[in-house]
Amino acid sequence: LAKTTQPISMDSYEGQEVNITCSHNNIATNDYITWYQQFPSQGPRFIIQGYKTKVTNEVASLFIPADRKSSTLSLPRVSLSDTAVYYCLVVPGGYQKVTFGTGTKLQVIP
Amino acid sequence: DADVTQTPRNRITKTGKRIMLECSQTKGHDRMYWYRQDPGLGLRLIYYSFDVKDINKGEISDGYSVSRQAQAKFSLSLESAIPNQTALYFCATSDSDRGPTDTQYFGPGTRLTVL
Repeated sequence: LAKTTQPISMDSYEGQEVNITCSHNNIATNDYITWYQQFPSQGPRFIIQGYKTKVTNEVASLFIPADRKSSTLSLPRVSLSDTAVYYCLVVPGGYQKVTFGTGTKLQVIP
Repeated sequence: DADVTQTPRNRITKTGKRIMLECSQTKGHDRMYWYRQDPGLGLRLIYYSFDVKDINKGEISDGYSVSRQAQAKFSLSLESAIPNQTALYFCATSDSDRGPTDTQYFGPGTRLTVL
């Protein structure tokens, strides 16, 4: 399983765009990049997944460069309710076992 | 109603006691997982099950056992609890027939304290 590296923590003011970058230098051809969000005292929640280029949904955007060795989760105009831990995972296609690292703790400031 | 439920939500027990944490799901998923979360260590996989007859050890299975009683139920047991098993425990499910990879759905967690 490919190892990921992401910042331990980030602070942002309300209304700003937040970009969290994840490095995954040894990503394999059949791996997908997946992000989960975990609010305090809750289980993680899937937010977005991509293989290459850009993916956007109602929660976030995911940017993946051509070499796929890194990815950036973008949260537009964050609010206080976006304060959470964000986990970047590299998940093999069709494979079940995943590894959650320690994630990035995002603190949104009023 | 929540799709993935865990009971109890909070439990305090003493060293040496046997304790069972239960997980039930109404999502119809075939795969179920147990994780523990400790401050600063992220989530670590204890056991996982791909179907009723399949049980697999995760990263940290020592001191734990599981039972998959039905597709919808997956229980985690601590045969003789010890203080370093104090943690937040999460159950998760996923569907092998959906999407290119496993997307996991987590329960609300059980906070276990072993004195």
